[in-house]
Amino acid sequence: DIQLTQSPSFLSASVGDRVTITCRASPGTVGSLAWYQQKPGKAPKLLISSASTLQSGVPSRFSVSGSGTEFSLTISSLQPEDVASYYCQQLNTNPHFGGGTKVEVK
Amino acid sequence: EVQLVESGGGLVQPGGSLRLSCAASGFTFRSYAMSWVRQAPGKGLEWVSAVSGTGGSKYYSDSVKGRFTISRDNSKSTLSLQMNSLRAEDTAVYFCVKDQSLWFGIDAFDIWGQGTMVAVSS
Repeated sequence: DIQLTQSPSFLSASVGDRVTITCRASPGTVGSLAWYQQKPGKAPKLLISSASTLQSGVPSRFSVSGSGTEFSLTISSLQPEDVASYYCQQLNTNPHFGGGTKVEVK
Repeated sequence: EVQLVESGGGLVQPGGSLRLSCAASGFTFRSYAMSWVRQAPGKGLEWVSAVSGTGGSKYYSDSVKGRFTISRDNSKSTLSLQMNSLRAEDTAVYFCVKDQSLWFGIDAFDIWGQGTMVAVSS
């Protein structure tokens, strides 16, 4: 099975900062990823699906890049409402999630 | 409004059984694959099981294979998860999730229920 490793597992940044979360696949490559946001006490929410499609209502400050073994989720200007845990997920018949990245605002 | 509502969680002893249900509304249920995803307290997300829109294909994670059985009733827009031989490590919130595709393994999970808690303890 291909495992996804997210880094960092925790990050603290100021409002307005650009933050990047990395998701690395090993061993081998994955065709595409999805990204989810989970706020405390809530169910996860799909942010970005395959083909880097931003879901309806998701602010354009969220973007993704990468392919193969390394993918990234970037928040171009961190906002207080972005406090959450973020998960990547490989899109195949073993749709494992990364371990998650908890984002905090300083 | 698209909605998924889980039920059936609770406290069960190790080795026991529990059946989770998920009632779907607001979309054409038979047109989408469905999954169960769980989250242990304070931990990350773990995909558990999936079924294609037709119900003809079923998938399980290694951690539950042989113990859990997924099923769906497209006439009632319901998804179920029969959990047998439960272990302490199965303790988690279980989310019912809708796939973006008829077929599992192609696309992401776009709709999530609020979750139902399963606690396995003596």
